[in-house]
Amino acid sequence: SQKIEQNSEALNIQEGKTATLTCNYTNYSPAYLQWYRQDPGRGPVFLLLIRENEKEKRKERLKVTFDTTLKQSLFHITASQPADSATYLCALDIKTSYDKVIFGPGTSLSVIP
Amino acid sequence: DTGVSQDPRHKITKRGQNVTFRCDPISEHNRLYWYRQTLGQGPEFLTYFQNEAQLEKSRLLSDRFSAERPKGSFSTLEIQRTEQGDSAMYLCASRKQITGANVLTFGAGSRLTVL
Repeated sequence: SQKIEQNSEALNIQEGKTATLTCNYTNYSPAYLQWYRQDPGRGPVFLLLIRENEKEKRKERLKVTFDTTLKQSLFHITASQPADSATYLCALDIKTSYDKVIFGPGTSLSVIP
Repeated sequence: DTGVSQDPRHKITKRGQNVTFRCDPISEHNRLYWYRQTLGQGPEFLTYFQNEAQLEKSRLLSDRFSAERPKGSFSTLEIQRTEQGDSAMYLCASRKQITGANVLTFGAGSRLTVL
């Protein structure tokens, strides 16, 4: 069956450390993998994306890797700050007969001062 | 660019009543998506439109759910004969294309509570 999994437990890290979030998927072939941030009571906000033929992408303190063989993406936030505390969602951008964006369950991140 | 607007933000209703949510996407975005999200879960795809055409509908969407996008502008999502299991956040998103990717801009959502 098709599945998207993210870190099952909430992630708590110390301010200044690097947070690493994992996204694994099965039985999908995404053309792109996207990462979104969601704050309580708000809609998700797009952060960055990586194409299926890219290995790594960076944007400021964010880095994402994509391994289509392992069917896994890692999302890193370096020099984390309390303001980075939120839920992070990975999303698969599927290009079949019709486009579809499928979200994972999310990982809750808390950055402790 | 005023973003994606959803109305109402909160709706409390009794089981068996009908409810309707409205979404106004970003004006130049031609694709519009509806998702449902329950606590602790990611957004679950319901349906999407390209202009006024409804291109795909999730199998999870029962016959009690219907969505429209007349004239390819705003969209409505109606739930008939609501059940307690319909309680969730209903999210609307519109699409901005960046190099072929479907980057979504979400509204703040409409939270439904069915008593």
